[in-house]
Amino acid sequence: EPEVTQTPSHQVTQMGQEVILRCVPISNHLYFYWYRQILGQKVEFLVSFYNNEISEKSEIFDDQFSVERPDGSNFTLKIRSTKLEDSAMYFCASRHQREGDYGYTFGSGTRLTVV
Amino acid sequence: QKEVEQNSGPLSVPEGAIASLNCTYSDRGSQSFFWYRQYSGKSPELIMFIYSNGDKEDGRFTAQLNKASQYVSLLIRDSQPSDSATYLCAVKGTSYDKVIFGPGTSLSVIP
Repeated sequence: EPEVTQTPSHQVTQMGQEVILRCVPISNHLYFYWYRQILGQKVEFLVSFYNNEISEKSEIFDDQFSVERPDGSNFTLKIRSTKLEDSAMYFCASRHQREGDYGYTFGSGTRLTVV
Repeated sequence: QKEVEQNSGPLSVPEGAIASLNCTYSDRGSQSFFWYRQYSGKSPELIMFIYSNGDKEDGRFTAQLNKASQYVSLLIRDSQPSDSATYLCAVKGTSYDKVIFGPGTSLSVIP
């Protein structure tokens, strides 16, 4: 079964450092998303991306965050200057463009720890 | 105003019983509704989606939608210990490209 791949599975970084989280969505999916989940809290929307541009973003997704699809397969989330409160599990998700098919496939996540 | 609400649980049911999970949402224009299962430390996994009022069955799972009451539920028949997880209700409106998740209900199936 096709899957969304995320790397690394766990990243530890010092506060103020830049991190890039990487995702390879399912090959025939055209809509891509980043969500995060702080330990013990709910899954929160960060950003959606379609046709090489952001289609929606949340209040969490401020100027410290950016997304990119540098080639035909990778989808990245960059955090420019990490803060302690950025520590969370970050999930990439993708979905097909079929009309009415809005269910996401999530990757296994990257656990980001900012120290 | 909370957008998607769920009882946090934990909900405990004996093995073989029916587990009933509930969700309410605030955006009356919402059109697509999902149930995801999340095991501890893992990513959400889509188990059901429903778009029309009424019931939708898939194996041991039944999703129920009542748009007038802004209410979605998930029934799990013949509950198994492997069903023990957190169940996330998620909702998508028509005006935005994102799915909003509820806080989840923790289900424990007791052998």
